[in-house]
Amino acid sequence: GAVVSQHPSWVICKSGTSVKIECRSLDFQATTMFWYRQFPKQSLMLMATSNEGSKATYEQGVEKDKFLINHASLTLSTLTVTSAHPEDSSFYICSARGTFTYGYTFGSGTRLTVV
Amino acid sequence: KQEVTQIPAALSVPEGENLVLNCSFTDSAIYNLQWFRQDPGKGLTSLLLIQSSQREQTSGRLNASLDKSSGRSTLYIAASQPGDSATYLCAVRLSSNTGKLIFGQGTTLQVKP
Repeated sequence: GAVVSQHPSWVICKSGTSVKIECRSLDFQATTMFWYRQFPKQSLMLMATSNEGSKATYEQGVEKDKFLINHASLTLSTLTVTSAHPEDSSFYICSARGTFTYGYTFGSGTRLTVV
Repeated sequence: KQEVTQIPAALSVPEGENLVLNCSFTDSAIYNLQWFRQDPGKGLTSLLLIQSSQREQTSGRLNASLDKSSGRSTLYIAASQPGDSATYLCAVRLSSNTGKLIFGQGTTLQVKP
């Protein structure tokens, strides 16, 4: 079945630094990638949607200059958290949808802790 | 604005019990509804997807129903096992034009041996 590989699975960074999270579709072409954030004991909230080769569409309240999304190829999308602060600490999950895939395939998530 | 609610937030049952998880949504105009499983600190695994025109879907010990008019879906787990312990999330997709999913808060299930 469709597989999305997300790395790293966890990362600890210092406040003010940037962190890049990668999601790769291993056996299908991810035409659309979704990035979610999940705070403890809360559900997933969509941050942005990106289509391959296009600029990402951000949900209301999500800072596009802080959460940089790149979807330059059909198999790779990245989320960069710039100038991270402790309040950015969260669980980030990507989800991919391809032209011929049914439903959504989620990555395994990245636990970001900003200290 | 579509809102998705899951009740109960947490559930603990002895092994072997049949159980029902509930999901409700405020706007019946949905494209489909999907149930996911999430293990602690992990990503999501899709369990069942029900299109808006369907009433139910089954996979093994899992059965999901959809009553779009009343804004409800249930996930039935038969003969629960300790390995079923996880958080179960339902999510609705609003239309074919958007891939955005709106998630409920989840039900954390613990099945005790």
